[in-house]
Amino acid sequence: NAGVTQTPKFRILKIGQSMTLQCTQDMNHNYMYWYRQDPGMGLKLIYYSVGAGITDKGEVPNGYNVSRSTTEDFPLRLELAAPSQTSVYFCASSPGQGRLTQHFGDGTRLSIL
Amino acid sequence: DQQVKQNSPSLSVQEGRISILNCDYTNSMFDYFLWYKKYPAEGPTFLISISSIKDKNEDGRFTVFLNKSAKHLSLHIVPSQPGDSAVYFCAASAQGAQKLVFGQGTRLTINP
Repeated sequence: NAGVTQTPKFRILKIGQSMTLQCTQDMNHNYMYWYRQDPGMGLKLIYYSVGAGITDKGEVPNGYNVSRSTTEDFPLRLELAAPSQTSVYFCASSPGQGRLTQHFGDGTRLSIL
Repeated sequence: DQQVKQNSPSLSVQEGRISILNCDYTNSMFDYFLWYKKYPAEGPTFLISISSIKDKNEDGRFTVFLNKSAKHLSLHIVPSQPGDSAVYFCAASAQGAQKLVFGQGTRLTINP
């Protein structure tokens, strides 16, 4: 049982480049989330989705876009990468319907140089 | 504004002793609290949770205590083991929301 899978694990981007961080889950969870974690900080919510076709902004959405065309996949798009977006990105999912425990992927470490 | 705070960035405990990790929150709408454990190069994994209708929840070596009047919760690990060395995050959810707000984390080191 794979759970939440994130690709790639590591990536270095140049300023101004764009990329998509992939996230897929095989637990048939309705809710999916994207977080970033900066050194010494907790996880900050970027975007979340309550189901296919529905997304909403979290605490730090600027510079990012998401889409949710299927239950399984929730890609995060960075347009015009900036050094401030250097971080570790975590994708998570939860069943919804009052069940709050989120299951996390192993993260993507992204450096913008 | 930091709604969930873990004021101790790190904690060092001797193997076999009790580890106590603390968490404070400011939002009185929070009614569900979780602790996650994170090893390097891995994602956080769920450890234990507590609803605001309780003041204690126990699961093996792990116990979470909630003091609603003080807006404070703590995670007790006893006895502490070397495999408990990790970063621990406290998280909270407000009524009806499916979103979590995380604290900054506390790095726990268990010394042999």
